[in-house]
Amino acid sequence: GIQVEQSPPDLILQEGANSTLRCNFSDSVNNLQWFHQNPWGQLINLFYIPSGTKQNGRLSATTVATERYSLLYISSSQTTDSGVYFCAVKGGGADGLTFGKGTHLIIQP
Amino acid sequence: DTAVSQTPKYLVTQMGNDKSIKCEQNLGHDTMYWYKQDSKKFLKIMFSYNNKELIINETVPNRFSPKSPDKAHLNLHINSLELGDSAVYFCASSQSFEKLFFGSGTQLSVL
Repeated sequence: GIQVEQSPPDLILQEGANSTLRCNFSDSVNNLQWFHQNPWGQLINLFYIPSGTKQNGRLSATTVATERYSLLYISSSQTTDSGVYFCAVKGGGADGLTFGKGTHLIIQP
Repeated sequence: DTAVSQTPKYLVTQMGNDKSIKCEQNLGHDTMYWYKQDSKKFLKIMFSYNNKELIINETVPNRFSPKSPDKAHLNLHINSLELGDSAVYFCASSQSFEKLFFGSGTQLSVL
């Protein structure tokens, strides 16, 4: 099946900093999504982005499907951005989304 | 209104017991899922139903049995619970495998 690698595994930043999270995948995908799991365990869908660029407030994402990677940008970090960010992908088969191991982000005040 | 709701939020039980987790979505989606998140936060799909039909059935012990009475509901029944079943179980839904929406999770602890 498709392999998904996320980097960095851990990231500690001060409030107000910017960050870039990366997701590499091993095969062609027709579905790529980014999720945020907050410290209370809730999983929030940030982007459905199989290709191209999208922005939502301080967050934006870019997927370059031909080069098999996606980037999530967080600008002007706030403490509420803390949590784990997951990338998940799906190829052309009948499988469901395959999740990466996540990037654990801590924003310090 | 909660889009994807699952109950109970916490489930503490003894080894060998049988338990169920219920899930409902009011988004009008045609596809529902069960995911398992282990202690290292790794998320893995277990099952998926599309319009009440089982379409994804990953390598999961037969003790786990999903049931979808209609396309808005997907329940998970677990027989003969084992210590290794302890995890957080998430229900989710989407429209035709697109944007995925998760429920708040059920933390299962098997003692």
